[in-house]
Amino acid sequence: EDQVTQSPEALRLQEGESSSLNCSYTVSGLRGLFWYRQDPGKGPEFLFTLYSAGEEKEKERLKATLTKKESFLHITAPKPEDSATYLCAVEPGGGNKLTFGTGTQLKVEL
Amino acid sequence: NAGVTQTPKFQVLKTGQSMTLQCAQDMNHEYMSWYRQDPGMGLRLIHYSVGAGITDQGEVPNGYNVSRSTTEDFPLRLLSAAPSQTSVYFCASSYSIAGGKNIQYFGAGTRLSVL
Repeated sequence: EDQVTQSPEALRLQEGESSSLNCSYTVSGLRGLFWYRQDPGKGPEFLFTLYSAGEEKEKERLKATLTKKESFLHITAPKPEDSATYLCAVEPGGGNKLTFGTGTQLKVEL
Repeated sequence: NAGVTQTPKFQVLKTGQSMTLQCAQDMNHEYMSWYRQDPGMGLRLIHYSVGAGITDQGEVPNGYNVSRSTTEDFPLRLLSAAPSQTSVYFCASSYSIAGGKNIQYFGAGTRLSVL
């Protein structure tokens, strides 16, 4: 059974204080790992897809990396507008279903 | 493009009532899916469709029906609502599920309470 575990559950940062969110996974043949951002009362918004170990992708203050067992979402010099819940999901090699983690709730304070 | 549109945004039902949650997308996506999101549980797949006329069950299909008569629409039917179905429901669509391209675009959600 595919599993995704995200940590920490919640993270509070000061503006400018860089940190990382973790997504550990077990999956039968990884086809893709996805990061989403979810704001309160809204649907998840796609951020990144990673396909193979060693791959990295960046978007503004966010950088996602992938190993064979986990993915990290690095947040550099965060701003209050980066406050949201960040979701990780994996797609197995043999299927077309995503398995989501429970998310990390990030709050960036001034 | 409106993207993925869900209606209604909020709904309160009594136990035993039935209703249909509507989902429409204007991106000509082949793949559509329904999830429910509960506190501490993450998003869980209810049903999905890889194209018009084709549907399949996800992780938590019991108590829900779907059909896909057109590419654009993928309604979710609750046959006899139960309090355990109180949740936030999200519809999503994807251009392709081939080769790890299953980038899903989500609607804004329907918040359902069953009393």
